[in-house]
Amino acid sequence: DVKVTQSSRYLVKRTGEKVFLECVQDMDHENMFWYRQDPGLGLRLIYFSYDVKMKEKGDIPEGYSVSREKKERFSLILESASTNQTSMYLCASSAVGTLNTGELFFGEGSRLTVL
Amino acid sequence: AQSVTQLDSHVSVSEGTPVLLRCNYSSSYSPSLFWYVQHPNKGLQLLLKYTSAATLVKGINGFEAEFKKSETSFHLTKPSAHMSDAAEYFCVVSDLYNFNKFYFGSGTKLNVKP
Repeated sequence: DVKVTQSSRYLVKRTGEKVFLECVQDMDHENMFWYRQDPGLGLRLIYFSYDVKMKEKGDIPEGYSVSREKKERFSLILESASTNQTSMYLCASSAVGTLNTGELFFGEGSRLTVL
Repeated sequence: AQSVTQLDSHVSVSEGTPVLLRCNYSSSYSPSLFWYVQHPNKGLQLLLKYTSAATLVKGINGFEAEFKKSETSFHLTKPSAHMSDAAEYFCVVSDLYNFNKFYFGSGTKLNVKP
């Protein structure tokens, strides 16, 4: 069974702390994504990566950075957490080329609260 | 440019009655279209997808959707709602020529009354 695993389901951090959200996929997918989900706003793309060490900004990259040192792992970093970054964060992956079936595979989400 | 509009933010039905969740899309190219379901505090799970094959697509848990190019619609239906269908549903469009881009609707919360 395909799997995208987000290591932290619930986190509570203080303003100004550095926060790491980790995501691992076991499907050998090239593409990985970080989304933020807020009520009434749907999902908004923060960053995506199409290969190791490659990244591109999404729609709302401000205040975030990412790291992809290995194909299976994609990390989202909040350098200095702020209260407006309280949200649900969703990681996803997808295949390319002949393996591409078009869809995204999602982790279960990381709910971050910044106090 | 691609975009998705989910016409209802909330839909409430009684158990055993039909479900209709509406989605309209805008696409410059031949789109791929998806419906995902999200149960509380969970990630998104694929219900069904359209990728230029049959226009009537069947998915999991009895859901289906029909791609209507003339109406730019991809509405999700189910003949008989079950309590376990209560969740949030997202319509998503992607560009067949740009596999990195997925455009999400704002979601429809389905409430199922006993």
